[in-house]
Amino acid sequence: DVKVTQSSRYLVKRTGEKVFLECVQDMDHENMFWYRQDPGLGLRLIYFSYDVKMKEKGDIPEGYSVSREKKERFSLILESASTNQTSMYLCASKNNHPGQGKGEQYFGPGTRLTVT
Amino acid sequence: DQQVKQNSPSLSVQEGRISILNCDYTNSMFDYFLWYKKYPAEGPTFLISISSIKDKNEDGRFTVFLNKSAKHLSLHIVPSQPGDSAVYFCAAFSGNTPLVFGKGTRLSVIA
Repeated sequence: DVKVTQSSRYLVKRTGEKVFLECVQDMDHENMFWYRQDPGLGLRLIYFSYDVKMKEKGDIPEGYSVSREKKERFSLILESASTNQTSMYLCASKNNHPGQGKGEQYFGPGTRLTVT
Repeated sequence: DQQVKQNSPSLSVQEGRISILNCDYTNSMFDYFLWYKKYPAEGPTFLISISSIKDKNEDGRFTVFLNKSAKHLSLHIVPSQPGDSAVYFCAAFSGNTPLVFGKGTRLSVIA
Protein backbone atom coordinates (compact mmCIF):
# COMPACT_ATOMS: atom_id res chain seq x y z
CA ASP A 1 0.00 0.00 0.00
CA VAL A 2 1.15 3.50 -0.82
CA LYS A 3 2.76 5.28 2.11
CA VAL A 4 4.06 8.78 2.71
CA THR A 5 5.07 9.52 6.27
CA GLN A 6 6.00 12.78 7.94
CA SER A 7 8.17 12.93 11.02
CA SER A 8 5.77 14.86 13.24
CA ARG A 9 2.03 15.50 13.26
CA TYR A 10 2.30 18.53 15.54
CA LEU A 11 5.29 20.77 16.21
CA VAL A 12 5.75 23.94 18.25
CA LYS A 13 8.87 26.03 17.70
CA ARG A 14 10.11 29.44 18.74
CA THR A 15 10.82 32.34 16.42
CA GLY A 16 14.36 32.13 15.06
CA GLU A 17 14.75 28.38 15.53
CA LYS A 18 15.91 26.15 12.70
CA VAL A 19 13.20 23.63 11.91
CA PHE A 20 13.49 20.35 10.03
CA LEU A 21 10.44 18.60 8.59
CA GLU A 22 11.11 15.11 7.30
CA CYS A 23 9.17 13.17 4.71
CA VAL A 24 9.69 9.57 3.65
CA GLN A 25 7.92 7.61 0.89
CA ASP A 26 8.13 3.89 0.29
CA MET A 27 6.86 3.80 -3.30
CA ASP A 28 10.16 4.41 -5.12
CA HIS A 29 8.72 7.62 -6.57
CA GLU A 30 11.02 10.01 -8.38
CA ASN A 31 9.11 13.20 -7.65
CA MET A 32 8.54 14.69 -4.21
CA PHE A 33 6.86 17.91 -3.14
CA TRP A 34 6.37 20.20 -0.16
CA TYR A 35 3.21 22.29 0.19
CA ARG A 36 1.74 24.45 2.87
CA GLN A 37 -1.98 24.77 3.42
CA ASP A 38 -3.53 27.88 4.91
CA PRO A 39 -7.23 28.75 5.27
CA GLY A 40 -8.54 30.48 2.16
CA LEU A 41 -5.26 30.02 0.29
CA GLY A 42 -5.44 26.33 -0.61
CA LEU A 43 -2.29 24.31 -1.23
CA ARG A 44 0.76 26.33 -2.18
CA LEU A 45 3.89 24.68 -3.53
CA ILE A 46 7.09 25.51 -1.64
CA TYR A 47 9.71 23.26 -3.27
CA PHE A 48 9.82 20.08 -5.30
CA SER A 49 12.36 17.55 -6.49
CA TYR A 50 12.44 15.38 -9.61
CA ASP A 51 15.30 13.19 -8.41
CA VAL A 52 18.00 12.77 -5.79
CA LYS A 53 20.11 15.90 -5.29
CA MET A 54 17.72 17.89 -7.46
CA LYS A 55 15.46 20.67 -6.25
CA GLU A 56 13.21 23.25 -7.85
CA LYS A 57 11.56 26.30 -6.34
CA GLY A 58 7.81 26.33 -6.18
CA ASP A 59 5.55 29.33 -5.79
CA ILE A 60 6.57 30.37 -2.27
CA PRO A 61 10.18 29.25 -1.56
CA GLU A 62 11.23 32.29 0.49
CA GLY A 63 12.35 31.36 3.98
CA TYR A 64 12.62 27.65 3.14
CA SER A 65 15.22 25.26 1.79
CA VAL A 66 15.12 21.54 1.02
CA SER A 67 17.39 18.53 0.92
CA ARG A 68 17.07 15.29 -1.03
CA GLU A 69 20.06 13.05 -0.37
CA LYS A 70 18.14 9.80 -0.85
CA LYS A 71 15.33 8.96 -3.24
CA GLU A 72 12.85 8.14 -0.49
CA ARG A 73 13.49 11.16 1.73
CA PHE A 74 12.74 14.83 1.17
CA SER A 75 13.39 17.32 3.95
CA LEU A 76 12.02 20.83 4.34
CA ILE A 77 14.12 23.26 6.34
CA LEU A 78 13.01 26.52 7.88
CA GLU A 79 16.32 28.33 8.37
CA SER A 80 14.95 30.81 10.93
CA ALA A 81 11.33 30.16 11.79
CA SER A 82 8.94 33.10 11.84
CA THR A 83 5.34 33.39 13.02
CA ASN A 84 4.08 33.71 9.44
CA GLN A 85 5.36 30.19 8.83
CA THR A 86 2.76 28.80 11.20
CA SER A 87 0.86 26.46 8.90
CA MET A 88 -0.02 22.90 7.90
CA TYR A 89 2.86 21.41 5.90
CA LEU A 90 2.11 18.61 3.47
CA CYS A 91 4.57 16.35 1.71
CA ALA A 92 3.64 14.43 -1.45
CA SER A 93 5.24 12.06 -3.93
CA LYS A 94 4.48 10.98 -7.49
CA ASN A 95 5.88 8.49 -9.96
CA ASN A 96 6.93 9.30 -13.51
CA HIS A 97 6.06 5.99 -15.09
CA PRO A 98 3.56 6.35 -17.94
CA GLY A 99 0.31 4.56 -17.35
CA GLN A 100 0.75 4.17 -13.61
CA GLY A 101 -1.69 6.56 -11.97
CA LYS A 102 -0.59 9.41 -14.18
CA GLY A 103 -0.43 12.65 -12.23
CA GLU A 104 -1.66 11.23 -8.99
CA GLN A 105 0.25 12.63 -6.03
CA TYR A 106 0.16 10.78 -2.74
CA PHE A 107 0.15 12.94 0.36
CA GLY A 108 1.43 12.41 3.85
CA PRO A 109 -0.74 13.18 6.90
CA GLY A 110 0.69 16.66 7.33
CA THR A 111 2.60 18.48 10.07
CA ARG A 112 0.85 21.26 11.92
CA LEU A 113 3.65 23.70 12.76
CA THR A 114 3.13 26.53 15.22
CA VAL A 115 5.82 29.18 15.56
CA THR A 116 5.53 31.31 18.69
CA ASP B 1 -2.33 34.82 -11.16
CA GLN B 2 -4.47 31.84 -10.28
CA GLN B 3 -4.44 29.18 -12.96
CA VAL B 4 -7.00 26.98 -11.20
CA LYS B 5 -9.98 28.63 -9.57
CA GLN B 6 -12.66 27.30 -7.28
CA ASN B 7 -14.98 30.24 -6.88
CA SER B 8 -17.22 28.77 -4.20
CA PRO B 9 -15.45 28.58 -0.83
CA SER B 10 -18.29 26.54 0.63
CA LEU B 11 -21.34 24.51 -0.31
CA SER B 12 -24.12 22.95 1.78
CA VAL B 13 -26.22 20.08 0.49
CA GLN B 14 -28.91 17.86 1.98
CA GLU B 15 -28.07 14.22 2.44
CA GLY B 16 -29.22 12.17 -0.55
CA ARG B 17 -29.15 15.12 -2.96
CA ILE B 18 -26.55 15.91 -5.61
CA SER B 19 -23.42 17.92 -4.77
CA ILE B 20 -21.84 19.84 -7.65
CA LEU B 21 -18.42 21.35 -7.15
CA ASN B 22 -17.03 23.59 -9.85
CA CYS B 23 -13.55 24.47 -11.05
CA ASP B 24 -12.26 26.78 -13.78
CA TYR B 25 -8.78 26.94 -15.24
CA THR B 26 -6.93 29.41 -17.43
CA ASN B 27 -3.94 27.44 -18.71
CA SER B 28 -4.88 25.74 -21.99
CA MET B 29 -1.77 23.55 -21.71
CA PHE B 30 -3.26 21.55 -18.83
CA ASP B 31 -4.05 18.05 -20.06
CA TYR B 32 -4.94 16.21 -16.87
CA PHE B 33 -7.27 17.15 -14.05
CA LEU B 34 -7.77 15.67 -10.62
CA TRP B 35 -10.00 16.07 -7.58
CA TYR B 36 -8.73 15.56 -4.06
CA LYS B 37 -10.66 15.33 -0.82
CA LYS B 38 -9.27 16.54 2.49
CA TYR B 39 -10.49 15.98 6.04
CA PRO B 40 -9.18 18.21 8.85
CA ALA B 41 -5.76 17.24 10.20
CA GLU B 42 -5.21 14.75 7.37
CA GLY B 43 -3.44 14.88 4.04
CA PRO B 44 -5.48 15.17 0.82
CA THR B 45 -6.55 11.89 -0.76
CA PHE B 46 -7.01 11.35 -4.46
CA LEU B 47 -10.64 11.01 -5.54
CA ILE B 48 -10.99 10.95 -9.31
CA SER B 49 -9.23 12.24 -12.41
CA ILE B 50 -9.88 12.95 -16.07
CA SER B 51 -7.68 13.31 -19.10
CA SER B 52 -8.25 16.17 -21.52
CA ILE B 53 -9.15 13.68 -24.24
CA LYS B 54 -12.29 12.74 -22.33
CA ASP B 55 -15.32 14.73 -21.25
CA LYS B 56 -16.57 12.47 -18.48
CA ASN B 57 -15.20 9.98 -15.99
CA GLU B 58 -17.28 8.08 -13.47
CA ASP B 59 -16.34 6.15 -10.34
CA GLY B 60 -19.24 5.01 -8.19
CA ARG B 61 -21.02 8.04 -6.74
CA PHE B 62 -18.42 10.42 -8.19
CA THR B 63 -18.43 11.79 -11.73
CA VAL B 64 -16.13 14.42 -13.17
CA PHE B 65 -17.15 16.40 -16.26
CA LEU B 66 -14.71 18.36 -18.40
CA ASN B 67 -15.69 21.15 -20.79
CA LYS B 68 -12.45 22.10 -22.54
CA SER B 69 -13.92 24.91 -24.61
CA ALA B 70 -15.15 26.60 -21.43
CA LYS B 71 -12.04 25.57 -19.45
CA HIS B 72 -14.37 24.24 -16.80
CA LEU B 73 -14.70 21.03 -14.85
CA SER B 74 -17.14 19.87 -12.24
CA LEU B 75 -17.40 17.08 -9.72
CA HIS B 76 -20.81 15.53 -9.11
CA ILE B 77 -21.49 13.46 -6.01
CA VAL B 78 -24.73 11.48 -6.08
CA PRO B 79 -26.17 10.74 -3.61
CA SER B 80 -24.35 12.93 -1.11
CA GLN B 81 -23.59 11.39 2.27
CA PRO B 82 -22.56 13.01 5.58
CA GLY B 83 -19.14 11.33 5.25
CA ASP B 84 -18.57 13.37 2.09
CA SER B 85 -18.27 16.51 4.21
CA ALA B 86 -14.71 17.70 3.57
CA VAL B 87 -12.70 20.23 1.60
CA TYR B 88 -12.44 19.37 -2.09
CA PHE B 89 -9.49 20.56 -4.17
CA CYS B 90 -9.39 20.71 -7.92
CA ALA B 91 -5.92 20.29 -9.48
CA ALA B 92 -4.41 20.31 -12.96
CA PHE B 93 -1.09 19.75 -14.70
CA SER B 94 0.64 19.07 -17.99
CA GLY B 95 3.69 16.97 -18.76
CA ASN B 96 5.78 16.43 -15.65
CA THR B 97 4.98 19.73 -14.00
CA PRO B 98 3.71 19.83 -10.40
CA LEU B 99 -0.01 19.86 -9.77
CA VAL B 100 -1.57 23.31 -9.59
CA PHE B 101 -4.31 23.38 -6.98
CA GLY B 102 -7.38 25.54 -6.54
CA LYS B 103 -8.14 27.05 -3.15
CA GLY B 104 -10.70 24.42 -2.29
CA THR B 105 -14.43 24.20 -1.62
CA ARG B 106 -15.73 23.11 1.77
CA LEU B 107 -18.67 20.74 1.30
CA SER B 108 -21.10 20.21 4.16
CA VAL B 109 -23.64 17.43 3.76
CA ILE B 110 -26.51 17.92 6.17
CA ALA B 111 -28.36 14.89 7.48
